[in-house]
Amino acid sequence: NAGVTQTPKFQVLKTGQSMTLQCAQDMNHEYMSWYRQDPGMGLRLIHYSVGAGITDQGEVPNGYNVSRSTTEDFPLRLLSAAPSQTSVYFCASNRGRSLMNTEAFFGQGTRLTVV
Amino acid sequence: ELKVEQNPLFLSMQEGKNYTIYCNYSTTSDRLYWYRQDPGKSLESLFVLLSNGAVKQEGRLMASLDTKARLSTLHITAAVHDLSATYFCAVDSLNTGTASKLTFGTGTRLQVTL
Repeated sequence: NAGVTQTPKFQVLKTGQSMTLQCAQDMNHEYMSWYRQDPGMGLRLIHYSVGAGITDQGEVPNGYNVSRSTTEDFPLRLLSAAPSQTSVYFCASNRGRSLMNTEAFFGQGTRLTVV
Repeated sequence: ELKVEQNPLFLSMQEGKNYTIYCNYSTTSDRLYWYRQDPGKSLESLFVLLSNGAVKQEGRLMASLDTKARLSTLHITAAVHDLSATYFCAVDSLNTGTASKLTFGTGTRLQVTL
């Protein structure tokens, strides 16, 4: 049981480049989310999805796009990378509304540096 | 806007001592989560607190929730070095129990020394 898998683990981008951070879960979880973690600021929600085809913005959505075409995958796209997007990105999933009162399970993270 | 505050931000404590980490939040919610993070690692779920007065214990850690005071505590009993990590509390912004939209505190970095 792999849980939540994120790729890549590390990435260096140049300013203005675009890329997609991959997230996949094999637990048949309904809900998935993306967070970024910056020093001294805890984790902040970027986007989340409550099911295939349904996404919504979190606290810091600017500069990021998401889509959810399948239950298993929830990719995060950086449209034009900026140094301010240097961060550690975590994907999370949880069972969602069908089974209330559940905790979120997190992937191992992607450490992104934009130069 | 929901705000979650933890204190202290950094805690250095000796093995064998007791201490409490506090988590205050600004709006009504009766669902709160505690996570542990080791350096360079992911977040590990510790406790899920789902109602006023909820208390959960695992080993040397005990978490409680007071929704009226909008306060959760994580109490450490007789600390050991293995507990050194950063601890986060998180509140379910949607208050639906789905943990899909969490607002995190800034974390408490715990260092247990001999």
